[in-house]
Amino acid sequence: SQQGEEDPQALSIQEGENATMNCSYKTSINNLQWYRQNSGRGLVHLILIRSNEREKHSGRLRVTLDTSKKSSSLLITASRAADTASYFCATDATTGANNLFFGTGTRLTVIP
Amino acid sequence: SQTIHQWPATLVQPVGSPLSLECTVEGTSNPNLYWYRQAAGRGLQLLFYSVGIGQISSEVPQNLSASRPQDRQFILSSKKLLLSDSGFYLCAWKRADYQETQYFGPGTRLLVL
Repeated sequence: SQQGEEDPQALSIQEGENATMNCSYKTSINNLQWYRQNSGRGLVHLILIRSNEREKHSGRLRVTLDTSKKSSSLLITASRAADTASYFCATDATTGANNLFFGTGTRLTVIP
Repeated sequence: SQTIHQWPATLVQPVGSPLSLECTVEGTSNPNLYWYRQAAGRGLQLLFYSVGIGQISSEVPQNLSASRPQDRQFILSSKKLLLSDSGFYLCAWKRADYQETQYFGPGTRLLVL
């Protein structure tokens, strides 16, 4: 399966701290995306990093990609209570309608 | 701008009853459409995707079916629900070009009793 796996499964930090989540995948990819899901809601796209990129920033988000290790990390700096959500990585498929394969997610809780 | 709608938001159905969940997209043409299921506390499992009207691809064998009667309408159905069909169902769309990002609807929570 190409499905990614995030770790940790759950992470609890104090407001203001940084949160780091990791994702590992199994096959070659064209890109990797990170999505956020508030409880009981749909997913929201956060950031996309292509296979030829090693690092990307968007506001308080920093994503790294190591294709040799088939892994990615998402760093949220200066966390806020509103960052509390589940975070999923998704890798693209080489066949089909550009399908995405989602990991099992990391549940982040930011304590005010 | 584009928007995606799903309804109902919540549904409680008895085992053996039929199911019809609807998803519509506004503000775009010829999108790729997707149905996912998410078990409690788990990741997303792709159920069906469609690249055009009447074109449905199934990713996993199951008790469900999908149809795309119109360009921006995607329907998830079942003739007889099973307990194991309970979950959170998400519809998503993406542009049918090189763009990789998928945009998700608010989801339907289905509880089969």
